[in-house]
Amino acid sequence: QKEVEQNSGPLSVPEGAIASLNCTYSDRGSQSFFWYRQYSGKSPELIMSIYSNGDKEDGRFTAQLNKASQYVSLLIRDSQPSDSATYLCALCGAGSYQLTFGKGTKLSVIP
Amino acid sequence: DAGVIQSPRHEVTEMGQEVTLRCKPISGHNSLFWYRQTMMRGLELLIYFNNNVPIDDSGMPEDRFSAKMPNASFSTLKIQPSEPRDSAVYFCASSFNGGNEQFFGPGTRLTVL
Repeated sequence: QKEVEQNSGPLSVPEGAIASLNCTYSDRGSQSFFWYRQYSGKSPELIMSIYSNGDKEDGRFTAQLNKASQYVSLLIRDSQPSDSATYLCALCGAGSYQLTFGKGTKLSVIP
Repeated sequence: DAGVIQSPRHEVTEMGQEVTLRCKPISGHNSLFWYRQTMMRGLELLIYFNNNVPIDDSGMPEDRFSAKMPNASFSTLKIQPSEPRDSAVYFCASSFNGGNEQFFGPGTRLTVL
């Protein structure tokens, strides 16, 4: 049984600060990792994917992966009130079609 | 390009009634997924199809749930008979060749009274 653990939050950060969202997983065979953003009442939206150890940057977002520690994180620089949402971590095993989702961390950016 | 399309967006029905949810995946995507989201259980995979063939339906909660994909551009999820505990948001997602980078539809919010 694959497990994906996230702190449910809420995580509150002031506008302009760095928000750090964390995710741990149990299946060492996991190969692909994703971060989805879900606004209240809306569907999950893919914002980042990462496949190898290290950092991947896209605009204000940086995904970090450490497979040895079974840990993946998402950093949001210069946080904006519009970043307030629930962030879902998801992963996929090698050769698998199936994504396993965490329950998400609710982020609140305070103006 | 149009994203994943789902209908209806909202459905309110009474216990015991049949409910049919519909999904049109992104054109060119050959994998389709049905999810259910609740506050208690989060986002759960119900079933996924690859090239119109059901690959894994182990997430389908009971025999009351069934899903079909008669062609590459249409899928249905049916609940018969519906029960109040089926109340949730049901999402359809599609991708190209499996689990990587799935794109979600707007969802159907189902309320069973």
